[in-house]
Amino acid sequence: DGGITQSPKYLFRKEGQNVTLSCEQNLNHDAMYWYRQDPGQGLRLIYYSQIVNDFQKGDIAEGYSVSREKKESFPLTVTSAQKNPTAFYLCASKTFGIQPQHFGDGTRLSIL
Amino acid sequence: AQSVAQPEDQVNVAEGNPLTVKCTYSVSGNPYLFWYVQYPNRGLQFLLKYITGDNLVKGSYGFEAEFNKSQTSFHLKKPSALVSDSALYFCAVRTYYKLSFGAGTTVTVRA
Repeated sequence: DGGITQSPKYLFRKEGQNVTLSCEQNLNHDAMYWYRQDPGQGLRLIYYSQIVNDFQKGDIAEGYSVSREKKESFPLTVTSAQKNPTAFYLCASKTFGIQPQHFGDGTRLSIL
Repeated sequence: AQSVAQPEDQVNVAEGNPLTVKCTYSVSGNPYLFWYVQYPNRGLQFLLKYITGDNLVKGSYGFEAEFNKSQTSFHLKKPSALVSDSALYFCAVRTYYKLSFGAGTTVTVRA
């Protein structure tokens, strides 16, 4: 079945540590997105990529970095500069046009 | 800036009763609107979208939404709610290449 796979499901970060969240899709979608979800705040866009080797900052990019070396993969690194990383992180993808985004099942990141 | 607002944090209904989740939008130009549902510790699932045409949009799981241009609203509806409809619902508007989401409405359907 086609879909989006996020791993790990749960992740713990120590102070000063960078961690990387994985997002892989086999839907042949061109565009991919990373969101952060906090209780009562909806989803906020961190980064997005419309094609391979290109990505743009979203609304809350500070303290995060991404790469898009392959169409299927869009990993997110939460750096030590992100002082409040505890959240639920969601990856999404879509094809071109006014089409819905398809979401993975998220990674919950906590601080040790 | 394009945005949506969900004025109710929570909606509680009895099973079998009609369910309405409210959404209002603020956009320049034509609005492209979406509804998603999220179950605990899961990603969002697409329910329906409005691009143009008929103001009543039918979607998945028996849900529908009514687009009202004069009231700038896009309310989600279900004629007869099920306990399994209990979840978090998000309205979203397409902004350039992105989606802007409302804060979400928690729906609880009691048996």
